[in-house]
Amino acid sequence: QVQLVESGGGVVQPGRSLRLSCAASGFIFSDYAMYWVRQAPGKGLEWVAIISDDGNDKSYADSVKGRFTISRDNSKKTLNLQMNSLRPEDTAVYYCAWLRSNRRSNWFDPWGQGALVTVSS
Amino acid sequence: SYVLTQPPSVSVAPGQTARITCGGNNIGSKGVHWYQQKPGQAPVLVVYDDSDRPSGIPERFSGSNSGNTAPLTISRVEADDEADYYCQVWDTGNNHPVFGGGTKLTVL
Repeated sequence: QVQLVESGGGVVQPGRSLRLSCAASGFIFSDYAMYWVRQAPGKGLEWVAIISDDGNDKSYADSVKGRFTISRDNSKKTLNLQMNSLRPEDTAVYYCAWLRSNRRSNWFDPWGQGALVTVSS
Repeated sequence: SYVLTQPPSVSVAPGQTARITCGGNNIGSKGVHWYQQKPGQAPVLVVYDDSDRPSGIPERFSGSNSGNTAPLTISRVEADDEADYYCQVWDTGNNHPVFGGGTKLTVL
């Protein structure tokens, strides 16, 4: 059974840092790209960052570029998100998600349970 | 960038059929995926690649895609279907996902 479990959420002051982790099990983690997707309170879904299967290729949403860093440890089957210079607008539930693909498209299944990050003074 | 449009809300009585639309320019050329999200829970995939269902998703959930609209249809709606529903496609230009704004399904 595929499982993704996030950890590391919490309350942090603006300008400070926080690191999220996502522990994966039930699939060959090193074969797949992984995403972080977030959801601000009462809002919709927004992709944050992607990392390739081998960790060499990364991409970020403009809203977090230069502040967030995605990484992975395939030996530990762990996905990470280092969040620096946090802003109140970064307050959200952060989900890690397994990117599934066919020749036509890509989708997410499953998602982790989410980690709440609250940026507030 | 590519934009997906969903109605903010849809209401339906139990046992009836709910239709939630996802609109986009020539969306029929893209694969459309649907997620169900209940309060306080993570999104769950209910339809992928326009009309395929993951294991464990009831046949009551079906999708289609043509032209500029891709509807998610939920037949014989149950109280447990009350949730937010999001559509998603892949923006091949930017090589990233695009999500619709979400539709709140209310079971009357």
